[in-house]
Amino acid sequence: KNQVEQSPQSLIILEGKNCTLQCNYTVSPFSNLRWYKQDTGRGPVSLTIMTFSENTKSNGRYTATLDADTKQSSLHITASQLSDSASYICVSPTGNQFYFGTGTSLTVIP
Amino acid sequence: GAVVSQHPSWVICKSGTSVKIECRSLDFQATTMFWYRQFPKQSLMLMATSNEGSKATYEQGVEKDKFLINHASLTLSTLTVTSAHPEDSSFYICSARDPPAEISYEQYFGPGTRLTVT
Repeated sequence: KNQVEQSPQSLIILEGKNCTLQCNYTVSPFSNLRWYKQDTGRGPVSLTIMTFSENTKSNGRYTATLDADTKQSSLHITASQLSDSASYICVSPTGNQFYFGTGTSLTVIP
Repeated sequence: GAVVSQHPSWVICKSGTSVKIECRSLDFQATTMFWYRQFPKQSLMLMATSNEGSKATYEQGVEKDKFLINHASLTLSTLTVTSAHPEDSSFYICSARDPPAEISYEQYFGPGTRLTVT
């Protein structure tokens, strides 16, 4: 069964600290793995897209990793800012279907 | 990057009325658009796939007569919630697919429309 699972469900960190969000996927055939940021009341915005051959990709303070053998991905946020408070969604598309994780709700507090 | 807009951003309507939500791709042509629904603290749930010039494909459990989708042009798709009920209150998000130039085609999401049915 094609599935994307994320952990933790929610996370609270102090401003300036780093954090890592996890994503496990069982989507087949694998096409690519995406991370989106969704601010409250807004649509998702793409952070990174990784294909099978890529195991690390950075976008500013966001760094995503992909382990195609274990079917795991992580999103590392460095030096968190208050504006990083949002839901982070892991997505693995295959064919015409996008499989969404349930997201990790991140709250950065001063 | 490509921009997808939605209108309105929020709407309140009475039970039994219909409401139309527009989704536009602003700087690219989208042959395929998607409509999602998102309940609080849940992930996006695909409702239907909208193809320009043809009938939409609805996901299992989504009533096509209740959620009318029209994709009349390459830049506009509309979702009409007919005979709205309070349980239809949700966050509706559309996305548009940039025609695939390679394997990792992109899907751009609109900002969402908050529907509240009273």
